[in-house]
Amino acid sequence: EPEVTQTPSHQVTQMGQEVILRCVPISNHLYFYWYRQILGQKVEFLVSFYNNEISEKSEIFDDQFSVERPDGSNFTLKIRSTKLEDSAMYFCASSEPGESSGANVLTFGAGSRLTVL
Amino acid sequence: DQQVKQNSPSLSVQEGRISILNCDYTNSMFDYFLWYKKYPAEGPTFLISISSIKDKNEDGRFTVFLNKSAKHLSLHIVPSQPGDSAVYFCAARRNQAQKLVFGQGTRLTINP
Repeated sequence: EPEVTQTPSHQVTQMGQEVILRCVPISNHLYFYWYRQILGQKVEFLVSFYNNEISEKSEIFDDQFSVERPDGSNFTLKIRSTKLEDSAMYFCASSEPGESSGANVLTFGAGSRLTVL
Repeated sequence: DQQVKQNSPSLSVQEGRISILNCDYTNSMFDYFLWYKKYPAEGPTFLISISSIKDKNEDGRFTVFLNKSAKHLSLHIVPSQPGDSAVYFCAARRNQAQKLVFGQGTRLTINP
């Protein structure tokens, strides 16, 4: 069964450092997403990406965050200068093109755990 | 942001019995609702969804019920199996929007 793969599975970084989290979405999917889950809290939407541009983003997704699809297969999330509160599990997801009123079923990766010290 | 709420953080059910997980929402613009299941060290996995034009959707052992007037949905699992032990997330989406809004999750434990 096709799956979304994420690397690294766990990254530890110092506050202020840049971090890049990588994702390989399912090959025929056209919508890509990043969500995060801070320990003990709910899964929160960060950003959606379609047709090589951001289609929607949350208030969490400020200027410190950026996304890129550099080569047609990878989808990356960059945090420019990490803060302690960026520590979380980051989930990448992708979905098929479909009517916008459809189920929009997202397939999630296993997540990348980011620990900021 | 409490637009989607799952008020029970945990639920314990005996194997073979029915599990009922509940979810409430506040945003009347939501038109699609989904349930995801999550095992430790894995990402959420899609289970079942329902459109706001329906009040019930069934898939094998899983049935989702939607009560729009009460802004409430529930997931029924019958019969419950040990492999159903996981965290279950309710999620909702507005028409024409891409983002899913998740509830806090309910940890379901099925006891043999």
